Amino acid sequence: DQQVKQNSPSLSVQEGRISILNCDYTNSMFDYFLWYKKYPAEGPTFLISISSIKDKNEDGRFTVFLNKSAKHLSLHIVPSQPGDSAVYFCAASLKAAGNKLTFGGGTRVLVKP
Amino acid sequence: NAGVTQTPKFQVLKTGQSMTLQCAQDMNHNSMYWYRQDPGMGLRLIYYSASEGTTDKGEVPNGYNVSRLNKREFSLRLESAAPSQTSVYFCASSPQTGGTGELFFGEGSRLTVL
Repeated sequence: DQQVKQNSPSLSVQEGRISILNCDYTNSMFDYFLWYKKYPAEGPTFLISISSIKDKNEDGRFTVFLNKSAKHLSLHIVPSQPGDSAVYFCAASLKAAGNKLTFGGGTRVLVKP
Repeated sequence: NAGVTQTPKFQVLKTGQSMTLQCAQDMNHNSMYWYRQDPGMGLRLIYYSASEGTTDKGEVPNGYNVSRLNKREFSLRLESAAPSQTSVYFCASSPQTGGTGELFFGEGSRLTVL
């Protein structure tokens, strides 16, 4: 049973517009949520995180929103750029489990010029 | 600074063959991890090592063994490869088991088992 799910396998957006990536989770005990970005033939790289005690974290063009009651988080990219085309993974960590990351299935984003 | 280095980057095996994936990090991190990535399933944890001298099973450990050779190196061994182990394997490290859980990944090793 997947504890972290990304229900949209792909997303296409026009350059300059907003990209919204969604992630749902089932374990209400998760302490941190992270987003990773992955280009082909490369390893995932950390993008942004949010603590479970917060509802928003912003870093430049990237903002993550957390809705604990809905067990839902989202990543907003504004404005989207062609270099943002990649696969994005949502992940969650649990201190009680040694902070091992549990990943969602990923969303492939294509930003069209 | 190389970060996390994995070898080999590509490997083709026949069913029943064995092989070892090597991983080394130069960031003086305590914790190291092996994940596999399959289409639509994200990254799943195979084994991890919270610190030198310790290893523990992750979500999908069957068919694999690991060795934490020293603080820098963490290897993953397939004793008798099966087609179901065709995947992309990622090694990762983190400074500690506390914190946010942020991991630093290698570039991956693509394994095909025929």
